Amino acid sequence: GESVGLHLPTLSVQEGDNSIINCAYSNSASDYFIWYKQESGKGPQFIIDIRSNMDKRQGQRVTVLLNKTVKHLSLQIAATQPGDSAVYFCADGGSSGSARQLTFGSGTQLTVLP
Amino acid sequence: KAGVTQTPRYLIKTRGQQVTLSCSPISGHRSVSWYQQTPGQGLQFLFEYFSETQRNKGNFPGRFSGRQFSNSRSEMNVSTLELGDSALYLCASSPRGAANYGYTFGSGTRLTVV
Repeated sequence: GESVGLHLPTLSVQEGDNSIINCAYSNSASDYFIWYKQESGKGPQFIIDIRSNMDKRQGQRVTVLLNKTVKHLSLQIAATQPGDSAVYFCADGGSSGSARQLTFGSGTQLTVLP
Repeated sequence: KAGVTQTPRYLIKTRGQQVTLSCSPISGHRSVSWYQQTPGQGLQFLFEYFSETQRNKGNFPGRFSGRQFSNSRSEMNVSTLELGDSALYLCASSPRGAANYGYTFGSGTRLTVV
């Protein structure tokens, strides 16, 4: 079946540095991916998404890169702030027309050090 | 506008009992999905409802069931509770029930089975 894996369960960065969180997926037919942020006691919060016809998408302080050849995506957070401390999940949204569920990776706990 | 509302936030039940969780989606959203989140298994898809019909189901036993009402509100039920059912149950709503239209999550119901 489909699976999504994260490369590192934990990541610590200094405040102000850039953070990179990596994720691998298994379903080559998947064409939509999402990054979520989950803070303690809350549900996953949408950060940014990307469709397979793109290699890169930028938001406010965040960039998602998609490499379909190796089935890998990454989330880059610029100038990491204490409020960025949370668990980050990548999710595989499947393929168009059939994407009615999300397959989540196991999550990376990002800790921002002062 | 109001987000996805889940009630109750916390619940403690005894093994063998049953439980019903409620989810009110964002106004206008017709799709509701349910996910189980545990430290060991991560976020796992339970089922998805659209216009009162279950369209997709994850790999969970029949003790887990759900329904959706005409106003799009949804409930999920777990019968004959087991200790392993202790988890955060998350509800997500979407305008059309496809991942690439975006899912918004609620804060979840924390179920503890003792």
